[in-house]
Amino acid sequence: EVYLVESGGGLVQPGGSLRLSCEASGFTFSSFWMTWVRQAPGKGPEWLANINQDGSQKYYVDSMKGRSIISRDNAKKSLYLHIASLRAEDTALYYCAKGNRMDVWGQGTTVTVSS
Amino acid sequence: EIVLTQSPGTLSLSPGERVTLSCRASQNVRSNLFSWYQQKPGQAPRLLITDASSRATGIPDRFSGSGSGTDFTLTISRLEPEDFAVYYCQQFGSAPNSFGQGTKLELK
Repeated sequence: EVYLVESGGGLVQPGGSLRLSCEASGFTFSSFWMTWVRQAPGKGPEWLANINQDGSQKYYVDSMKGRSIISRDNAKKSLYLHIASLRAEDTALYYCAKGNRMDVWGQGTTVTVSS
Repeated sequence: EIVLTQSPGTLSLSPGERVTLSCRASQNVRSNLFSWYQQKPGQAPRLLITDASSRATGIPDRFSGSGSGTDFTLTISRLEPEDFAVYYCQQFGSAPNSFGQGTKLELK
């Protein structure tokens, strides 16, 4: 069965940074684009970034450009999102999803930005 | 960036009814790279329809999608109790990919 498990969330002070991880299993990770999506409390999903199979193509939503980096390690079947300069509006549940069609999602990891 | 606008915001319906949800894009969606998701409280979104009209694995045939260019629809032919949820449209034809703001189906 296909699984995605996110980790790395937590309470962070404004201006801080963190790295989110997503571990994949049950499919050939290296064959798929991968995507990060977040959802703030009571709001709809927001697409953040995606990365192609070998990491040579990366795309970001404007709010993430310049302060986040999406990356992957195919040997570890893992996807990452590093976010810097965190602010209160980054508080959300962060999901990774398989492919651009996002047919499989993890359970999410919660990021809270607060002093 | 392509902005997706869903209508209506909320629908109050009864089981057994037929419902059509709409999503309009601010620009043409390339190659109809367009999906619909269902989300229930406390759960991640679930892919229902992709490539505008293809049902995802395991999705019942009462769900159907149609449309092209800038106008897309999701139809549920006969509402079941488990279908009351929030539905989001999403395009992945142009970066940055984007979601609509959602339509909530609530029990009348």
